[in-house]
Amino acid sequence: KQEVTQIPAALSVPEGENLVLNCSFTDSAIYNLQWFRQDPGKGLTSLLLIQSSQREQTSGRLNASLDKSSGRSTLYIAASQPGDSATYLCAANSGGGADGLTFGKGTHLIIQP
Amino acid sequence: DAGVIQSPRHEVTEMGQEVTLRCKPISGHDYLFWYRQTMMRGLELLIYFNNNVPIDDSGMPEDRFSAKMPNASFSTLKIQPSEPRDSAVYFCASTSGRGHNTEAFFGQGTRLTVV
Repeated sequence: KQEVTQIPAALSVPEGENLVLNCSFTDSAIYNLQWFRQDPGKGLTSLLLIQSSQREQTSGRLNASLDKSSGRSTLYIAASQPGDSATYLCAANSGGGADGLTFGKGTHLIIQP
Repeated sequence: DAGVIQSPRHEVTEMGQEVTLRCKPISGHDYLFWYRQTMMRGLELLIYFNNNVPIDDSGMPEDRFSAKMPNASFSTLKIQPSEPRDSAVYFCASTSGRGHNTEAFFGQGTRLTVV
């Protein structure tokens, strides 16, 4: 059974810093890995999807990497801004969309102005 | 497309009452998922459908929970009778097909409080 772990559980940094959020998964037989953002009381917004054959994906100040062999993914946020404050969730897709996503418990990020 | 639409956004009910949550997936998506989010357990898959047929309901916690998808544009998750421990945020998500680039799209969720 797939298990996903995110470290750290919470992170508070000053504005402008570059930061890395970590995600690990136990079963490397994944189709893809998705990173989501969740604002308080809101739904999940998809940030990046990395297919199993890819090593990384970039969107603006966000860069996600994937190392299947070691069961790890990282989300890099460059030049952090207060608006980046949210909970970031990673989710492993082990069934090509058919078996649903296995989520980590998230990293609660606070960017101090 | 307006995305995945869930209703109601908030529901407060008394213990023992029946609760029905609703979801409209993105048009053309053939997979629909129901998730539950709690502080203790995070996001957990409850059940998913493919072409309106339930495929895996192993995540449904008890027989008090049931889900249906009568057509491609509508699904319900019902709890009867509800209990305080059912209090959580329930999310619906949909995807198109299956494959390595399959991206899941989530609704805004229904926050359920059972008192």
